[in-house]
Amino acid sequence: DVKVTQSSRYLVKRTGEKVFLECVQDMDHENMFWYRQDPGLGLRLIYFSYDVKMKEKGDIPEGYSVSREKKERFSLILESASTNQTSMYLCASSAPTRAYNEQFFGPGTRLTVL
Amino acid sequence: AQSVTQPDIHITVSEGASLELRCNYSYGATPYLFWYVQSPGQGLQLLLKYFSGDTLVQGIKGFEAEFKRSQSSFNLRKPSVHWSDAAEYFCAVAGSSNTGKLIFGQGTTLQVKP
Repeated sequence: DVKVTQSSRYLVKRTGEKVFLECVQDMDHENMFWYRQDPGLGLRLIYFSYDVKMKEKGDIPEGYSVSREKKERFSLILESASTNQTSMYLCASSAPTRAYNEQFFGPGTRLTVL
Repeated sequence: AQSVTQPDIHITVSEGASLELRCNYSYGATPYLFWYVQSPGQGLQLLLKYFSGDTLVQGIKGFEAEFKRSQSSFNLRKPSVHWSDAAEYFCAVAGSSNTGKLIFGQGTTLQVKP
Protein backbone atom coordinates (compact mmCIF):
# COMPACT_ATOMS: atom_id res chain seq x y z
CA ASP A 1 0.00 0.00 0.00
CA VAL A 2 1.47 3.32 -1.10
CA LYS A 3 2.19 5.75 1.64
CA VAL A 4 3.09 9.37 2.24
CA THR A 5 3.67 10.23 5.88
CA GLN A 6 4.09 13.59 7.56
CA SER A 7 5.97 13.99 10.83
CA SER A 8 3.19 15.65 12.80
CA ARG A 9 -0.58 15.91 12.51
CA TYR A 10 -0.77 18.97 14.75
CA LEU A 11 1.93 21.50 15.61
CA VAL A 12 1.86 24.66 17.70
CA LYS A 13 4.76 27.10 17.43
CA ARG A 14 5.51 30.66 18.49
CA THR A 15 6.17 33.62 16.23
CA GLY A 16 9.81 33.75 15.18
CA GLU A 17 10.53 30.06 15.73
CA LYS A 18 12.15 27.95 13.02
CA VAL A 19 9.77 25.19 12.01
CA PHE A 20 10.51 21.94 10.17
CA LEU A 21 7.80 19.89 8.50
CA GLU A 22 8.93 16.48 7.32
CA CYS A 23 7.46 14.32 4.59
CA VAL A 24 8.47 10.78 3.67
CA GLN A 25 7.19 8.63 0.79
CA ASP A 26 7.82 4.95 0.22
CA MET A 27 6.93 4.76 -3.49
CA ASP A 28 10.34 5.72 -4.93
CA HIS A 29 8.74 8.78 -6.54
CA GLU A 30 10.91 11.43 -8.12
CA ASN A 31 8.41 14.28 -7.69
CA MET A 32 7.45 15.70 -4.32
CA PHE A 33 5.30 18.72 -3.49
CA TRP A 34 4.40 20.96 -0.57
CA TYR A 35 1.00 22.65 -0.54
CA ARG A 36 -0.74 25.00 1.78
CA GLN A 37 -4.52 24.60 2.23
CA ASP A 38 -6.71 27.46 3.44
CA PRO A 39 -10.52 27.69 3.44
CA GLY A 40 -11.87 29.08 0.18
CA LEU A 41 -8.46 29.08 -1.46
CA GLY A 42 -8.02 25.38 -2.21
CA LEU A 43 -4.48 24.04 -2.37
CA ARG A 44 -1.66 26.40 -3.27
CA LEU A 45 1.75 25.07 -4.25
CA ILE A 46 4.64 26.29 -2.11
CA TYR A 47 7.58 24.33 -3.54
CA PHE A 48 8.17 21.18 -5.49
CA SER A 49 11.12 18.93 -6.21
CA TYR A 50 11.65 16.63 -9.18
CA ASP A 51 14.86 15.03 -7.99
CA VAL A 52 17.23 14.88 -5.05
CA LYS A 53 18.69 18.31 -4.30
CA MET A 54 16.50 19.87 -7.00
CA LYS A 55 13.73 22.29 -6.12
CA GLU A 56 11.51 24.85 -7.78
CA LYS A 57 9.34 27.60 -6.39
CA GLY A 58 5.62 27.20 -6.59
CA ASP A 59 3.01 29.92 -6.39
CA ILE A 60 3.59 31.09 -2.80
CA PRO A 61 7.23 30.41 -1.80
CA GLU A 62 7.75 33.56 0.28
CA GLY A 63 8.66 32.77 3.87
CA TYR A 64 9.42 29.12 3.11
CA SER A 65 12.36 27.02 2.03
CA VAL A 66 12.76 23.30 1.33
CA SER A 67 15.35 20.57 1.50
CA ARG A 68 15.59 17.28 -0.36
CA GLU A 69 18.74 15.39 0.57
CA LYS A 70 17.27 11.92 -0.01
CA LYS A 71 14.78 10.77 -2.61
CA GLU A 72 12.17 9.67 -0.10
CA ARG A 73 12.25 12.77 2.12
CA PHE A 74 11.15 16.34 1.44
CA SER A 75 11.27 18.94 4.20
CA LEU A 76 9.49 22.27 4.40
CA ILE A 77 11.18 24.93 6.53
CA LEU A 78 9.68 28.08 7.97
CA GLU A 79 12.75 30.15 8.81
CA SER A 80 10.88 32.49 11.13
CA ALA A 81 7.28 31.49 11.66
CA SER A 82 4.60 34.15 11.50
CA THR A 83 0.93 34.08 12.43
CA ASN A 84 -0.11 34.28 8.77
CA GLN A 85 1.55 30.92 8.23
CA THR A 86 -1.06 29.25 10.40
CA SER A 87 -2.56 26.73 8.00
CA MET A 88 -2.88 23.10 6.91
CA TYR A 89 0.22 21.84 5.10
CA LEU A 90 -0.04 18.91 2.71
CA CYS A 91 2.77 16.93 1.17
CA ALA A 92 2.38 14.88 -2.02
CA SER A 93 4.46 12.75 -4.33
CA SER A 94 4.12 11.44 -7.88
CA ALA A 95 5.92 9.22 -10.35
CA PRO A 96 8.33 10.56 -12.99
CA THR A 97 7.07 13.36 -15.14
CA ARG A 98 3.79 12.52 -16.79
CA ALA A 99 1.08 15.13 -16.80
CA TYR A 100 -1.58 12.52 -16.05
CA ASN A 101 0.17 10.86 -13.12
CA GLU A 102 -1.78 11.28 -9.95
CA GLN A 103 -0.30 12.77 -6.83
CA PHE A 104 -0.43 10.81 -3.57
CA PHE A 105 -1.04 12.87 -0.48
CA GLY A 106 -0.04 12.66 3.15
CA PRO A 107 -2.57 13.26 5.96
CA GLY A 108 -1.51 16.86 6.47
CA THR A 109 0.00 18.89 9.30
CA ARG A 110 -2.14 21.54 10.92
CA LEU A 111 0.24 24.26 12.04
CA THR A 112 -0.76 26.99 14.46
CA VAL A 113 1.61 29.92 15.00
CA LEU A 114 0.90 31.94 18.12
CA ALA B 1 -2.50 30.39 -17.71
CA GLN B 2 -4.35 27.32 -16.55
CA SER B 3 -7.04 27.71 -13.93
CA VAL B 4 -9.81 25.69 -12.33
CA THR B 5 -13.07 27.05 -10.97
CA GLN B 6 -15.48 25.23 -8.71
CA PRO B 7 -18.51 27.55 -8.62
CA ASP B 8 -20.14 25.96 -5.57
CA ILE B 9 -18.34 26.46 -2.26
CA HIS B 10 -20.88 24.47 -0.26
CA ILE B 11 -23.58 21.98 -1.30
CA THR B 12 -26.11 20.14 0.85
CA VAL B 13 -27.98 17.09 -0.42
CA SER B 14 -30.20 14.52 1.23
CA GLU B 15 -28.95 10.98 1.63
CA GLY B 16 -30.04 8.92 -1.36
CA ALA B 17 -30.34 11.94 -3.65
CA SER B 18 -28.22 12.44 -6.74
CA LEU B 19 -25.19 14.70 -6.72
CA GLU B 20 -23.42 16.85 -9.28
CA LEU B 21 -20.37 18.96 -8.43
CA ARG B 22 -19.30 21.46 -11.03
CA CYS B 23 -15.79 22.09 -12.32
CA ASN B 24 -14.72 24.45 -15.10
CA TYR B 25 -11.18 24.69 -16.37
CA SER B 26 -9.18 27.01 -18.52
CA TYR B 27 -6.54 25.33 -20.65
CA GLY B 28 -5.48 25.67 -24.29
CA ALA B 29 -4.70 22.07 -25.17
CA THR B 30 -6.13 18.71 -24.17
CA PRO B 31 -6.35 18.85 -20.40
CA TYR B 32 -5.53 16.19 -17.87
CA LEU B 33 -8.24 16.44 -15.21
CA PHE B 34 -8.62 15.01 -11.74
CA TRP B 35 -11.13 14.84 -8.92
CA TYR B 36 -9.89 14.35 -5.36
CA VAL B 37 -11.82 13.90 -2.12
CA GLN B 38 -10.70 14.97 1.34
CA SER B 39 -12.53 13.46 4.30
CA PRO B 40 -12.35 15.38 7.59
CA GLY B 41 -8.85 15.23 9.06
CA GLN B 42 -7.45 13.32 6.10
CA GLY B 43 -5.25 13.94 3.12
CA LEU B 44 -6.57 13.94 -0.45
CA GLN B 45 -7.58 10.73 -2.20
CA LEU B 46 -7.95 10.39 -5.97
CA LEU B 47 -11.52 9.65 -7.09
CA LEU B 48 -10.90 9.58 -10.84
CA LYS B 49 -8.92 11.14 -13.65
CA TYR B 50 -9.28 11.88 -17.35
CA PHE B 51 -6.45 12.11 -19.84
CA SER B 52 -7.77 10.64 -23.07
CA GLY B 53 -10.38 8.35 -24.59
CA ASP B 54 -13.92 7.94 -23.32
CA THR B 55 -15.23 11.24 -22.00
CA LEU B 56 -17.25 9.52 -19.26
CA VAL B 57 -14.85 8.37 -16.57
CA GLN B 58 -15.69 5.95 -13.78
CA GLY B 59 -14.03 6.28 -10.41
CA ILE B 60 -14.01 4.79 -6.95
CA LYS B 61 -16.91 4.91 -4.46
CA GLY B 62 -19.52 5.02 -7.26
CA PHE B 63 -18.45 8.40 -8.66
CA GLU B 64 -18.22 9.32 -12.34
CA ALA B 65 -17.28 12.46 -14.23
CA GLU B 66 -17.89 13.64 -17.77
CA PHE B 67 -15.39 15.68 -19.77
CA LYS B 68 -17.10 18.21 -22.05
CA ARG B 69 -14.60 20.09 -24.16
CA SER B 70 -17.23 22.45 -25.62
CA GLN B 71 -18.17 23.61 -22.13
CA SER B 72 -14.67 23.36 -20.59
CA SER B 73 -16.22 21.32 -17.82
CA PHE B 74 -15.47 18.16 -15.88
CA ASN B 75 -18.43 17.70 -13.54
CA LEU B 76 -18.49 14.99 -10.89
CA ARG B 77 -21.66 12.93 -10.39
CA LYS B 78 -23.04 10.24 -8.15
CA PRO B 79 -26.54 8.77 -8.55
CA SER B 80 -27.21 8.18 -4.84
CA VAL B 81 -25.28 9.90 -2.08
CA HIS B 82 -24.36 8.16 1.17
CA TRP B 83 -23.72 9.91 4.49
CA SER B 84 -20.07 8.85 4.25
CA ASP B 85 -19.68 11.01 1.11
CA ALA B 86 -19.69 14.15 3.25
CA ALA B 87 -16.28 15.65 2.54
CA GLU B 88 -14.49 18.33 0.58
CA TYR B 89 -14.02 17.74 -3.14
CA PHE B 90 -11.30 19.24 -5.30
CA CYS B 91 -11.04 19.42 -9.07
CA ALA B 92 -7.55 19.80 -10.55
CA VAL B 93 -5.88 20.17 -13.94
CA ALA B 94 -2.32 19.21 -14.83
CA GLY B 95 -0.06 22.15 -15.61
CA SER B 96 1.18 22.75 -19.13
CA SER B 97 4.87 22.41 -18.32
CA ASN B 98 4.55 18.63 -17.88
CA THR B 99 6.29 18.78 -14.53
CA GLY B 100 3.59 16.81 -12.81
CA LYS B 101 2.25 19.95 -11.12
CA LEU B 102 -1.48 20.21 -10.53
CA ILE B 103 -3.62 23.32 -10.34
CA PHE B 104 -6.48 22.95 -7.90
CA GLY B 105 -9.89 24.56 -7.68
CA GLN B 106 -11.10 26.19 -4.49
CA GLY B 107 -12.94 23.08 -3.35
CA THR B 108 -16.61 22.23 -2.72
CA THR B 109 -17.76 21.10 0.70
CA LEU B 110 -20.51 18.49 0.57
CA GLN B 111 -22.91 18.11 3.47
CA VAL B 112 -25.29 15.13 3.51
CA LYS B 113 -28.61 15.40 5.35
CA PRO B 114 -30.10 12.24 6.88
